Amino acid sequence: EDKVVQSPLSLVVHEGDTVTLNCSYEVTNFRSLLWYKQEKKAPTFLFMLTSSGIEKKSGRLSSILDKKELFSILNITATQTGDSAVYLCAVEAGSGSEKLVFGKGTKLTVNP
Amino acid sequence: DVKVTQSSRYLVKRTGEKVFLECVQDMDHENMFWYRQDPGLGLRLIYFSYDVKMKEKGDIPEGYSVSREKKERFSLILESASTNQTSMYLCASSLCVEWRGGGEQFFGPGTRLTVL
Repeated sequence: EDKVVQSPLSLVVHEGDTVTLNCSYEVTNFRSLLWYKQEKKAPTFLFMLTSSGIEKKSGRLSSILDKKELFSILNITATQTGDSAVYLCAVEAGSGSEKLVFGKGTKLTVNP
Repeated sequence: DVKVTQSSRYLVKRTGEKVFLECVQDMDHENMFWYRQDPGLGLRLIYFSYDVKMKEKGDIPEGYSVSREKKERFSLILESASTNQTSMYLCASSLCVEWRGGGEQFFGPGTRLTVL
């Protein structure tokens, strides 16, 4: 059974801190790994990773994939209160379908 | 910009009622998905569809059915609502790119359904 595990489940930090969120997976026929940010509504897309070792970056957020060790990390530097959200990791496992397997998410709270 | 809309943001129904949740996307995406999201359980896939009139069961299809008569519209049906179907329901769509699969899914705003 395909599985995606995120850690920690929740995290509380102060503004300005740097955080690292973890996502490990066990799936058959891995195709891609995606990160989403969910505030009080729909998840919004952050990154899609398909190749090992290539960092994707968007402002203070960055992510990298290790296909040998089967994990990804999402880094947020100089955190702001607006970064408070649930961060979801999802893996697309190709078996002819395009469905995503989601982790349970990491709830990040950034205090002023 | 991709837009995925859902018919209701909040819905309250009684046990035993038939419930329709509608989802419409405007980007000509082939793939559409229905999830439910519950605290501590994350996002779980109920049903998905690759094309008009095609449907596939996800991880938790029991108690649900779906309909996709037009490419842009994917409906989730609760034939006889029960209290354990109280949840946040999220619809998503994605483009089918054969060499890499569907990839990024775009989500609607969600429908918070309460079954009394």
